[in-house]
Amino acid sequence: DADVTQTPRNRITKTGKRIMLECSQTKGHDRMYWYRQDPGLGLRLIYYSFDVKDINKGEISDGYSVSRQAQAKFSLSLESAIPNQTALYFCATSDQQGREQFFGPGTRLTVL
Amino acid sequence: GQSLEQPSEVTAVEGAIVQINCTYQTSGFYGLSWYQQHDGGAPTFLSYNGLDGLEETGRFSSFLSRSDSYGYLLLQELQMKDSASYFCAVREVYNQGGKLIFGQGTELSVKP
Repeated sequence: DADVTQTPRNRITKTGKRIMLECSQTKGHDRMYWYRQDPGLGLRLIYYSFDVKDINKGEISDGYSVSRQAQAKFSLSLESAIPNQTALYFCATSDQQGREQFFGPGTRLTVL
Repeated sequence: GQSLEQPSEVTAVEGAIVQINCTYQTSGFYGLSWYQQHDGGAPTFLSYNGLDGLEETGRFSSFLSRSDSYGYLLLQELQMKDSASYFCAVREVYNQGGKLIFGQGTELSVKP
């Protein structure tokens, strides 16, 4: 079984809809991250969490919110989706040392 | 500001050696990581340099010079399966625990 899972893997939605992307991990890591990837722009950090009680904004948090429901679960929400949020979204985890991040398979989101 | 520069594309032949350079300018620096990504799949960790010098892992090596704000990934004995995108990422400030700033990626094409 995969260590970091994301649901859904693909989602098509309409402008203005609320969308939740979910991430679960079985690695026992405290630290979790949400990134988005656009063609030619690499990975950009949206939010990160160092433990259940800790949430931090990344480079591009506007239009997004997160919830850390448990050590193993970190959800990303788009309150009112817009077309320029069409992207590939990745969840990642790391241990306290943070030398290596482990990525989920990604969610491809299309906002029409 | 924060920026990482790496070539957008590199082409090489099977069996050859290729070097992917990365220069960075960030407000704080703790280490440089490299990740590989195949066709929009999950990025996977390749190597990490926290200190100046060369780190070797099989066919892959990574080098860091902190005084020059420069690093590179060296891939030897190239194989077709090495065709992928490669990202350098700066790990900022240790007590932030693995927060990464990614470059825009280098697409490596390995030809027969």
